[in-house]
Amino acid sequence: QTVVTQESSFSVSPGGTVTFTCGLSSGSVSTSYYPSWYQQTPGQAPRTLIHSTNSRSSGVPDRFSASILGNKAALTITGAQAEDESDYYCLLYVGSGIWVFGGGTKLTVL
Amino acid sequence: QVQLVESGGGLVKPGGSLRLSCSVSGFTFNDFYMSWVRQAPGKGLEWLAYIRSSGATMYIADSVRGRFAISRDTAKQSLSLQMTSLTPDDTGVYYCARVGNGFNHLDSWGQGTPVTVSS
Repeated sequence: QTVVTQESSFSVSPGGTVTFTCGLSSGSVSTSYYPSWYQQTPGQAPRTLIHSTNSRSSGVPDRFSASILGNKAALTITGAQAEDESDYYCLLYVGSGIWVFGGGTKLTVL
Repeated sequence: QVQLVESGGGLVKPGGSLRLSCSVSGFTFNDFYMSWVRQAPGKGLEWLAYIRSSGATMYIADSVRGRFAISRDTAKQSLSLQMTSLTPDDTGVYYCARVGNGFNHLDSWGQGTPVTVSS
């Protein structure tokens, strides 16, 4: 069974830069996994940030960017703002019609 | 404006069944794959299933395969999730989501419907 790994939490100062990663329990993440990223605040539905590795969804600020870093997908926030304090999830297509979310990273901005 | 509105959630006893619905508007339903995602209390997102635009092909996560079934009704512009043999581990908020162009991500989400499995 495929496990998608994410850091459990991160802290960043306002205006700072933070990078989350999304990996696999076995193997490397590549563009073939079509990594996408989602932001969720408590009590709200998820919001789509990034798809197809590094394409920002409509309305997403350009301080959010994504890439493949080494053997993982990565989401970077450059110039973090208080409103970015949320949970962040990656989603990978692992083949045979199956998608798997990572466990999520809780971002604190302080 | 794309809208996805889930319904059908509620309290059900262990071993029971429940059918969730997702009513859509603001886009051509036939053109998009659709998906269900859930979130247990205090936990992360879990992808459950998706169904292609034709309705002929669907994929179900291992964790719920054999108990959950996804379907769609073009005439009603509606997506469904039939859940059977429910256990307390199925408790959570269930989200309907649209699969975006490229068939590789979820680009629009409903607000979710809560399901509680408890005796």
